[in-house]
Amino acid sequence: NAGVTQTPKFRILKIGQSMTLQCTQDMNHNYMYWYRQDPGMGLKLIYYSVGAGITDKGEVPNGYNVSRSTTEDFPLRLELAAPSQTSVYFCASGPWASGSGETQYFGPGTRLLVL
Amino acid sequence: RKEVEQDPGPFNVPEGATVAFNCTYSNSASQSFFWYRQDCRKEPKLLMSVYSSGNEDGRFTAQLNRASQYISLLIRDSKLSDSATYLCVVSPGGGADGLTFGKGTHLIIQP
Repeated sequence: NAGVTQTPKFRILKIGQSMTLQCTQDMNHNYMYWYRQDPGMGLKLIYYSVGAGITDKGEVPNGYNVSRSTTEDFPLRLELAAPSQTSVYFCASGPWASGSGETQYFGPGTRLLVL
Repeated sequence: RKEVEQDPGPFNVPEGATVAFNCTYSNSASQSFFWYRQDCRKEPKLLMSVYSSGNEDGRFTAQLNRASQYISLLIRDSKLSDSATYLCVVSPGGGADGLTFGKGTHLIIQP
């Protein structure tokens, strides 16, 4: 069981470039999330989705876009990379909403460096 | 979105000792509470959920005090493998989704 997979593992971008961070889960979870973690900081929610076709903003959505065309995939798009987006990005999924008490399962992360 | 606060440490503890971490959360509407463990450069993994009645999982005991908005984690007979960062995590409630993470407490178990 692969769980949550993310690609790429590591990427260096130049300022102004764009890229898509891929996230796939094989657990048939409706709920999926994107978080970023800056050094020495807690994870912050960027976007989340409660099912295919439905997405919503989290705490720090500026500079990012998402789509959810299938249950399995939840890609995160950076259109104009900025140094402030240098971070580790984690994708997560869960069977129910966060408030249900169910945990979230995290992917291994994508390390992004914007120069 | 409200905050979750933790002492960042590091806590340097000899192997076999008992260590306790605390965290406070500011959103009284929070519904679910967790401790996650994060190893260096890895993803967070669930250590245990936290219930008002308190719960225990082997050497780990978690407590929740809703009135004081306070969560604790106790590790008994600490092992070298317990060295990690421990994240206090709260679901915000109030219709929002996603989890709110503390910055983590860094624990180093020394031989």
